[in-house]
Amino acid sequence: DIQMTQSPSSLSASVGDRVTITCQASQDIRNSLNWYQQKPGKAPKLLIYDAFNLETGVPSRFSGSGSGTDFTFTISSLQPEDIATYYCQQYDNVPPVTFGQGTRLEIK
Amino acid sequence: QVQLVQSGAEVKKPGSSVKVSCKASGGDFSSYAISWVRQAPGQGLEWMGGIIPMFGTANYAQHFQGRVSITTDESTRTAYMEVTSLRFEDTAVYYCARSKTMDFAVADMGYWGQGTLVTVSS
Repeated sequence: DIQMTQSPSSLSASVGDRVTITCQASQDIRNSLNWYQQKPGKAPKLLIYDAFNLETGVPSRFSGSGSGTDFTFTISSLQPEDIATYYCQQYDNVPPVTFGQGTRLEIK
Repeated sequence: QVQLVQSGAEVKKPGSSVKVSCKASGGDFSSYAISWVRQAPGQGLEWMGGIIPMFGTANYAQHFQGRVSITTDESTRTAYMEVTSLRFEDTAVYYCARSKTMDFAVADMGYWGQGTLVTVSS
């Protein structure tokens, strides 16, 4: 199975800060990577698909980059409503789909 | 617009089974993969398995192989996930999710159900 190592596990930042989360795959997954946002008590929401494509309706402050084994998710200017847990997810060579461990983002 | 509506919360005894449903409205039901994702209390997301209704054959994560069954009924646009031999550690929220950006493949999960809490308690 492909393992996804996501870091950091938690992050505290101020409103307006640039926030970066990384995800490393245990083998080459090309660009088969998605990013999700999950708020407490809610289902996850797809933000970025195929490593860098912004899902319809998602604010442009969210972006994704990378290919192969190393991927980055960025919030260019953190907003209070961005407080959530973020997950990466790979879908290359499935089954299985695998998720990163998650990054809990808090406001400083 | 695609919507997924799951069945309600369940309380089950260890060793019993639970079957959760996920009814889809809007969009193409048959060509897009339905996945089931588990989230234990305070934990991350865990993919259990997925199915493309048109093909009818489910794939499972090894951890769930043999104890989980995923099926669909195209006539009612409903997916089902059954877990047998329930254990305390199966207590979790179970989500169904449908691919959005790619048909005939388990890729993204662009549409999600509201989640179903299954509590295993004696």
